[in-house]
Amino acid sequence: DGGITQSPKYLFRKEGQNVTLSCEQNLNHDAMYWYRQDPGQGLRLIYYSQIVNDFQKGDIAEGYSVSREKKESFPLTVTSAQKNPTAFYLCASSENMNTEAFFGQGTRLTVV
Amino acid sequence: EDQVTQSPEALRLQEGESSSLNCSYTVSGLRGLFWYRQDPGKGPEFLFTLYSAGEEKEKERLKATLTKKESFLHITAPKPEDSATYLCAVRQGGSEKLVFGKGTKLTVNP
Repeated sequence: DGGITQSPKYLFRKEGQNVTLSCEQNLNHDAMYWYRQDPGQGLRLIYYSQIVNDFQKGDIAEGYSVSREKKESFPLTVTSAQKNPTAFYLCASSENMNTEAFFGQGTRLTVV
Repeated sequence: EDQVTQSPEALRLQEGESSSLNCSYTVSGLRGLFWYRQDPGKGPEFLFTLYSAGEEKEKERLKATLTKKESFLHITAPKPEDSATYLCAVRQGGSEKLVFGKGTKLTVNP
């Protein structure tokens, strides 16, 4: 089954701790993205990557970091510098930067 | 200023009552307009891609159309299972970013 897998589905962390969200795709897509979704707001772009070993900041990159060491994987680290990390995080991939993006099922992060 | 505006924010329909959702955009050099459906607590599900004015795409009870300034998602004879939030996104020339609207929450009552 081809698709995008995000894990875990739910994640709880204490304030001040870094946490890494996993995103894996087996669609052989070049481009991958991380979005954040908050109630009443649209999806906001955190980071994106067009190819392995290259990534760019999106609109709200502060307090987040990513890596793209393999084509299939694009993990997102939420650092303690992120002021309001509690949110629903969505990973997506697309064949290239001109085609539609397909999304994973999301990770709901709660920081207490 | 928002580049993608969706209206209405919420829409309630009776089963079988057809209607349309609107997505207006202000980006220049459109390189694609995308419609998604999102159920609560889940990731968006891809529906349609439109690239040029006049283009139309259909899938079951849904039909998406595109003009130079907006797109419509027409829902014909909706069923309760069509209840979801519908998201619109655009990609503009010179940018790799996909910009989303805030969505329209559709509720279809039986």
